[in-house]
Order: sequence, then structure tokens, then C-alpha cells
Amino acid sequence: DAGVTQSPTHLIKTRGQQVTLRCSPKSGHDTVSWYQQALGQGPQFIFQYYEEEERQRGNFPDRFSGHQFPNYSSELNVNALLLGDSALYLCASSLMGQGDLNTEAFFGQGTRLTVV
Amino acid sequence: QKEVEQNSGPLSVPEGAIASLNCTYSDRGSQSFFWYRQYSGKSPELIMFIYSNGDKEDGRFTAQLNKASQYVSLLIRDSQPSDSATYLCAVTSGTYKYIFGTGTRLKVLA
Repeated sequence: DAGVTQSPTHLIKTRGQQVTLRCSPKSGHDTVSWYQQALGQGPQFIFQYYEEEERQRGNFPDRFSGHQFPNYSSELNVNALLLGDSALYLCASSLMGQGDLNTEAFFGQGTRLTVV
Repeated sequence: QKEVEQNSGPLSVPEGAIASLNCTYSDRGSQSFFWYRQYSGKSPELIMFIYSNGDKEDGRFTAQLNKASQYVSLLIRDSQPSDSATYLCAVTSGTYKYIFGTGTRLKVLA
């Protein structure tokens, strides 16, 4: 049973560039959430996708955008990169349950983004 | 006040001892509570989740939830050096996002 997979694992970009990160959810899951984790901090919620729509968004600027495909995989796009965007980007997958509550979330291995 | 608070540690315990990790949260409407373990440079790994007041046991791990006092804890029995990691507490409150604490670093001394 494949778990959550993310690509690439590491990435170095220059300020002002754009980046796309990818995530395939765990088999049987239909919901993908993205988190940003700075060094020494807990993960911060960016947004969640279900049925190819953004369901909720955290306190992140519009430079952060996403997409979910019919096969439930997802992309995170960040435009106009800033040095402060350097972090571990985590994808979490879950299953939308009854009452619109998600089951527990499982994380991918993350993408380490460094902006120079 | 932070939404989810954890002592950053490090919490040092000898091998074989019980490690007790605590987490408090501010939203009384919080419904689901999760503990994740994160090794340095790796992604969080789900250890346990708890929804109801009381204790929930899974092997060497016990999660305890007290909604009236707004705290959740994780006990690790017979701690092993391999348990040395950062433990993240996460809370949901009927929305879709997990709110994480900053994590407690646990060191199990051999």
C-alpha cells in the first residue's frame, strides 16, 4: 500500500522564481492538505483540497496556490519566491468522512525548499 | 495565547522510564487530538489520535484527554533511545486544518 509521496525531495530556487511541488495521496484517500514547516516550528496549514476544490485556506498570501486533479493528486505552487519561503513543505492525505470530518492525516516525506 | 502550546524541551528521561508529554489548547470546541512523532529532518509520523475524554492505549503509548482542562498528554512507557524525537501535538476543531504545537523534543538516555 503506497503511502503519501511527494516530489521533489529537495529543491533550490532563486528569489523571485516560481516553484511547483507535487503530492500523491495514500491509496484510498481523497483529501490533500499542504503545510509549511519552518525550522524549529510546528507545521502551519496552507490549504486543503477535496473534490478538486480548495476547502479552506490558512494565513498564507495569494502567492501560494494549489490544484487537485481527478486522481486526487495535488500540486502546490509558490510564485515570486522570498527567502522566508525556505522551509519543509509537507503534504498530508486523509479521507473525507461523515459530517465532513476528515480521518487522521498521514504525511509524505516532504519537500525541502531552499530559496537563495 | 497560542492555539496549541507545548513545552519545547528537551525532556530527558532514562531508558526504561515513562516519558510524559503535555499539550494545552485554547479552543474549547476542539474535537480531535493527534500526536505525531518527527525525527530530525523527517516528516511527522502519526502515533495516536483521541476524540473522547479519558485514556487510550496503544502498545507502549497512552494518550490522555481532558476537555474540561483543555489538555492532552502522551505517555510513553519503557522509553527507548529510538523514541528520541520531537513530538507534535495537533488539534482540529470542526474545520479542516490541523493546528500544531511547536513540538517537544524528547531525549531518551541509554
